[in-house]
Amino acid sequence: AQRVTQPEKLLSVFKGAPVELKCNYSYSGSPELFWYVQYSRQRLQLLLRHISRESIKGFTADLNKGETSFHLKKPFAQEEDSAMYYCALGGVSNYQLIWGAGTKLIIKP
Amino acid sequence: DGGITQSPKYLFRKEGQNVTLSCEQNLNHDAMYWYRQDPGQGLRLIYYSQIVNDFQKGDIAEGYSVSREKKESFPLTVTSAQKNPTAFYLCASSTREIADTQYFGPGTRLTVL
Repeated sequence: AQRVTQPEKLLSVFKGAPVELKCNYSYSGSPELFWYVQYSRQRLQLLLRHISRESIKGFTADLNKGETSFHLKKPFAQEEDSAMYYCALGGVSNYQLIWGAGTKLIIKP
Repeated sequence: DGGITQSPKYLFRKEGQNVTLSCEQNLNHDAMYWYRQDPGQGLRLIYYSQIVNDFQKGDIAEGYSVSREKKESFPLTVTSAQKNPTAFYLCASSTREIADTQYFGPGTRLTVL
């Protein structure tokens, strides 16, 4: 069955340190991978998707089909990056997305 | 401000009562979705609709019902058959392109007293 795994429920790093939020997926077809973010008191929104191959707010994510991973990275964390991050898998069936459980990122000053 | 609106923001219900959560969008999206968000479980799909007058069950449809009479509106009814309805409910919409970006509403927090 298709699945998205985010192994860390909580990740805490200091401001200025590198950040990596892990995402692994299981799907034998051609995946569409997304990172969504939910800042405090804001609605869930798209951060980036692998097909765009762009950097948003300093974050990047590379699809590694061999390791079935789509880890989110940022070289220097900022306090405003504190949020809940969800990895999602699309392209599996119809218009559905399969969601990971989320990782809460806390950036300490 | 356009996009997706949900109402009410907070909703309290007594056991045994049905309640309806509103979701409206002005993005001209064909597809709409209802999710339930519980701590540590991510988003779970309740129902989705690809077009007016059509909808499909998601992973956790039991105890919920929906309608899609208008393109802009996709209300969710939480019935008394839902055993554990206290949760945060999110509505989303997208185009009908496969795996397109989903746009989310602000959510409704339902508490059963």
